[in-house]
Amino acid sequence: QKEVEQNSGPLSVPEGAIASLNCTYSDRGSQSFFWYRQYSGKSPELIMFIYSNGDKEDGRFTAQLNKASQYVSLLIRDSQPSDSATYLCAVSHTDKLIFGTGTRLQVFP
Amino acid sequence: ETGVTQSPTHLIKTRGQQVTLRCSSQSGHNTVSWYQQALGQGPQFIFQYYREEENGRGNFPPRFSGLQFPNYSSELNVNALELDDSALYLCASSSGTSATSYEQYFGPGTRLTVT
Repeated sequence: QKEVEQNSGPLSVPEGAIASLNCTYSDRGSQSFFWYRQYSGKSPELIMFIYSNGDKEDGRFTAQLNKASQYVSLLIRDSQPSDSATYLCAVSHTDKLIFGTGTRLQVFP
Repeated sequence: ETGVTQSPTHLIKTRGQQVTLRCSSQSGHNTVSWYQQALGQGPQFIFQYYREEENGRGNFPPRFSGLQFPNYSSELNVNALELDDSALYLCASSSGTSATSYEQYFGPGTRLTVT
């Protein structure tokens, strides 16, 4: 079992829709959870982090964490073509961050 | 822009050679982590430095080594390059004693090609 799992996609949504990206993790001791956005050929950009169960909202982005189910998600409201990128989930594990392989999101006009 | 810089941007090396990659942390950040990202994969943790000491290492062989300097800039050295070392190498800086508790900000990366 991979430590951090994401559906590779692509996830295709129309402009203006809600994109829902999901991530599961195996280490019950993980305390910190991050979402990064990576455009093709570029480095990852931190867009959200969440430490406590529940929802955390920042503009069009909402991160959701359920530690009991070992599940973290990212919702993007009013999706725009500029949101088209790979979204990486990262989870703390002892002394390092473990990344998933990413979900490619495509937002079409 | 995160304020984290890396050099060079691209590099081509031959198998068996050695390479040094450089990173300057964001102002105020005292922790630097290095990652290797192969095509289509997520970043893989190589190691982390805090105040010039290595305080975390991933599953990479000893030919991957690093340094952090008093100004918190950092180097990644790879000896005896192999074809599989071809990847994007990312440096990320953060503040605090554990990069897993604080947000990490990535530099633009160095694309290494080994032929």
